[in-house]
Amino acid sequence: GAVVSQHPSWVICKSGTSVKIECRSLDFQATTMFWYRQFPKQSLMLMATSNEGSKATYEQGVEKDKFLINHASLTLSTLTVTSAHPEDSSFYICSARDESGIYEQYFGPGTRLTVT
Amino acid sequence: QQQVKQSPQSLIVQKGGISIINCAYENTAFDYFPWYQQFPGKGPALLIAIRPDVSEKKEGRFTISFNKSAKQFSLHIMDSQPGDSATYFCAASLFNDMRFGAGTRLTVKP
Repeated sequence: GAVVSQHPSWVICKSGTSVKIECRSLDFQATTMFWYRQFPKQSLMLMATSNEGSKATYEQGVEKDKFLINHASLTLSTLTVTSAHPEDSSFYICSARDESGIYEQYFGPGTRLTVT
Repeated sequence: QQQVKQSPQSLIVQKGGISIINCAYENTAFDYFPWYQQFPGKGPALLIAIRPDVSEKKEGRFTISFNKSAKQFSLHIMDSQPGDSATYFCAASLFNDMRFGAGTRLTVKP
């Protein structure tokens, strides 16, 4: 089956620093990848849609200068949380859509970010 | 705007019983309806999905029932097992726009 990986699985950083999270589709090509944020016991909130070779599309209310997204290849998208603050602490999950004719989104295992 | 409403918020079922989770959507343009299973600290895993031209889809113990006119769909888990205890999310999608329900925390008691 389609596999999406994320790295790191968890990260602790200090306020004011930046953190990069990688999302990779391991066995399929993904023109489109998605970044979600999930708070404890809540649903997934779409942050942005990442398109290979073009600028990401951000959801309303998501600061594009704070959450930098780069989709440099058909298998890799990165999310950089810049100048992180404790309120950015959350579970970040990426997903990738298999472009081979089906519409399923496959999710990564998530990255737990804690900002101290 | 909550485009996908999911109920119940939590569900407790005895082992061997049937778990039923319901979702309702608003946008009739949605054309893909997946269900995801999520364990604590893990990403959601695709469980089963349906397109609106089909009224029911079954995969093992999991069945989706879809009512296009009512704009509702549901997940049935037959012979529920303790290992099914997880949070389940329904979703409705149109191309890149996927909207999730609030989630149902299922507990299957042995």
